[in-house]
Amino acid sequence: DQQVKQNSPSLSVQEGRISILNCDYTNSMFDYFLWYKKYPAEGPTFLISISSIKDKNEDGRFTVFLNKSAKHLSLHIVPSQPGDSAVYFCAACVENRDDKIIFGKGTRLHILP
Amino acid sequence: NAGVMQNPRHLVRRRGQEARLRCSPMKGHSHVYWYRQLPEEGLKFMVYLQKENIIDESGMPKERFSAEFPKEGPSILRIQQVVRGDSAAYFCASSPTGRVLAQHFGDGTRLSIL
Repeated sequence: DQQVKQNSPSLSVQEGRISILNCDYTNSMFDYFLWYKKYPAEGPTFLISISSIKDKNEDGRFTVFLNKSAKHLSLHIVPSQPGDSAVYFCAACVENRDDKIIFGKGTRLHILP
Repeated sequence: NAGVMQNPRHLVRRRGQEARLRCSPMKGHSHVYWYRQLPEEGLKFMVYLQKENIIDESGMPKERFSAEFPKEGPSILRIQQVVRGDSAAYFCASSPTGRVLAQHFGDGTRLSIL
């Protein structure tokens, strides 16, 4: 039972354009959402997060949008740069529980020159 | 300030052998989490440990897998009698407080079963 779903295994975007990565979740208990970036042969690194009390969080080129009623979130990267090519994992957790993060399967982003 | 250190980075075992994966958390971190990533999948939680205690092992397979985090030394994920399906990347994360938001990940151990 996939509680966090990333339905696009891969995405190709032209350098300089906007990259939009989507994520859906099913568990209403989730109240904190995270995006991680992962390069080959490395561990995931935290990118940006959002609490369920907000609908938008912005950090430089990265913005995460949360639509609680639709149980949907998205990560926008603008402008996209070559170094953004990586696998992006959407993840969710229950913030006041000190244990596991639930990850999606990831979306591989290719930034085209 | 070294990050989370996992070793070995790549481990090859034959079916039926034992695999031991080690994770040294960041300095000052007493909470350790193990995740497994099967091919073409996301990371799946396995176990959460604090020093000398298993807090949540709900993601651990019921047989052949065990984890420990002793008072001294690294956390160990042990897989006995490995099978082909155990081939995966195993990631360790550590945090100072137990809050998921403070988790830092290591670069993983890639386990290959021949």
